[in-house]
Amino acid sequence: EVQLVQSGAEVKKPGESLRISCKASGYTFIRNWIGWVRQMPGKGLEWMGIIYPDDSDTRYSPSFQGRVTISADKSIATAYLQWSSLEVSDTAMYFCARLDTTGFRPLSSDFWGQGTLVTVSS
Amino acid sequence: DIVMTQSPDSLAVSLGERATINCKSSQNILYNPNKKNYLAWYQQKPGHPPRLLIYWASARESGVPDRFRGSGSGTDFTLTITSLQAEDVAVYYCQQYYNTPFTFGPGTSVAIK
Repeated sequence: EVQLVQSGAEVKKPGESLRISCKASGYTFIRNWIGWVRQMPGKGLEWMGIIYPDDSDTRYSPSFQGRVTISADKSIATAYLQWSSLEVSDTAMYFCARLDTTGFRPLSSDFWGQGTLVTVSS
Repeated sequence: DIVMTQSPDSLAVSLGERATINCKSSQNILYNPNKKNYLAWYQQKPGHPPRLLIYWASARESGVPDRFRGSGSGTDFTLTITSLQAEDVAVYYCQQYYNTPFTFGPGTSVAIK
């Protein structure tokens, strides 16, 4: 059974750094792209970026490029999303998702983590 | 970036009636070599992560009831719930996965009338 288990809720202050995680199981981690989606309070889904864990090839949305870093540790089947300096506007729910992958091409997101709520407040 | 739009923003449908949601992409997402439309539909219920319903514009994900039907090609797509059930109350999103960034539509909220 494919499972993505995300780290717990975080409360941070502006300017602080943060890394949240997504632990995958039930499939061969390096064979599927895995990505992150933001959902601000009461709003829709925003695609942030994806990573191919086997070679760490990463694609970012221009909206998030330079603001976050996506990484993966294939030895422990875990993907990460990190910020070096949080802003109040980063307050949101963050979902990780596995992407169906064919011929190294990322496709639709077929399995999702439960979400990690990040609250940034002074 | 490919821009995805959806209509309506929300709709209320009686139990057992049909619900229709439209999605439009700003450019063609039909890949001609394989004749596939790179379009997915997701359902999100309050307090839950999204759930994949439809991929390749019309292929139903395993376990999804057959009352959920995806159709369309090129730039215009439709998700139809043929007989609305109480458990279908949710927000529905389309997403293109033709080019990164894999953009989502703004969502359509479905309620019971």
